[in-house]
This record gives sequence, structure tokens and C-alpha cells, in this order.
Amino acid sequence: GDSVTQMEGPVTLSEEACLTINCTYTATGYPSLFWYVQYPGEGLQLLLKATKADDKGSNKGFEATYRKETTSFHLEKGSVQVSDSAVYFCALRKRGDYKLSFGAGTTVTVRA
Amino acid sequence: GAGVSQSPSNKVTEKGKDVELRCDPISGHTALYWYRQSLGQGLEFLIYFQGNSAPDKSGLPSDRFSAERTGGSVSTLTIQRTQQEDSAVYLCASSLAGSNTGELFFGEGSRLTVL
Repeated sequence: GDSVTQMEGPVTLSEEACLTINCTYTATGYPSLFWYVQYPGEGLQLLLKATKADDKGSNKGFEATYRKETTSFHLEKGSVQVSDSAVYFCALRKRGDYKLSFGAGTTVTVRA
Repeated sequence: GAGVSQSPSNKVTEKGKDVELRCDPISGHTALYWYRQSLGQGLEFLIYFQGNSAPDKSGLPSDRFSAERTGGSVSTLTIQRTQQEDSAVYLCASSLAGSNTGELFFGEGSRLTVL
């Protein structure tokens, strides 16, 4: 079945450091790919998405590129802030489907 | 409110008791989802509603779990004869019908602890 695998956390880094969270997927066809973020005390919210190969999603300084050849959608940010501390979830949705399949989540803590 | 509202936010119950979890989606969102988040696990899909109908109940882990939605709005997830393995955060999300953006709007969840 369709699945998403993302790097295990927790990840702890200092402010202004670079962040990469790896995400790979297994799916038939060409799914849409997403990153959701859950800030402390809040519900999950969409961070960025890409709907076809080579698309790049970006938001709040984060980027992820849909790589069909490596079935990956890694999340990157060049300079993190304390406010980026959160749990990040990679997810996919098959074309024509209504539900999202999520990875296990990666907890990121940014220290001042 | 403007967002998805879930209640209770925390529930502690004894093994064998029944619990009800409530979700109030964003007004106008006809699609509603329940997910479960267990410690160290990803979000596990439970059930999907389109209006009051549940075309996909495939994620419900056992017949102790049921859900309903009335008036195309509020949904209730019921767990009967709770077990310790039911302890988790239960998340509700809603979206616009037919949306292809994949954007689900999540509530803050109901944390269930079964003693």
C-alpha cells in the first residue's frame, strides 16, 4: 500500500542552522505530496505541497521538491528560528483519493 | 469559532468504559476525517465522512469503534469498552468537498488515556 517514511527525530539544532528532514514515499501512480506542521498546542496545518514531479513547494522559508526518480520530498530550511520548533509530518494523497497518508512525524527543537 | 473544534481536549477513563469524542468542523466543510495519533506513530486514518455518509470506514480498528455525523456538521467518535491500547490522541479534520488541494484543517485533538 501507499506509505510515507520520514527521518526519525528528535532533531535539535541551534538558531540559524540548516534543517533537512528526509521523506520518501511508496505509491502507485503520481501522488500529491505535502508537509504539515504541528506547533506546540496547535492543530496540524499545511506547510507546503507539490502536486507533480519537479514541483517545488515553499512557505515560511521552507522548501521541498517533488523528486519522482528518488521518490522523495525532503523538507529544507536554510536558517531556522526558535519559532520553527514543531513536529513536521510528510504526507501523500493518491490522485482521485480523498485521504492523506502520513509519516510518523519528526520533532524539531531549535535552541536560541 | 473559525477552526475545527474538538472536545474534550483530555479524557481519562477506566478500562471497559465507553467514551465519546466530539468534532465540530469548519462551517461549510462537507468532508470530515478522523485520525488517531499514538505515541511514536504517524497519523492513522480511521474514517471519512462526506456529508452524513461514511463511504470509508476502513480504518476503524475494531467493532468497538463507531462514528456518526449529523446535519452534515458535528461528528461523534464512540469507543465502547475501552482498552489500554486505545490510548492516543484522536484528531479530527475537515475540508471543502471535492477539494484537490489536499488541505485538511485539523483540530487540536482529544487526548484519551485509558487506565
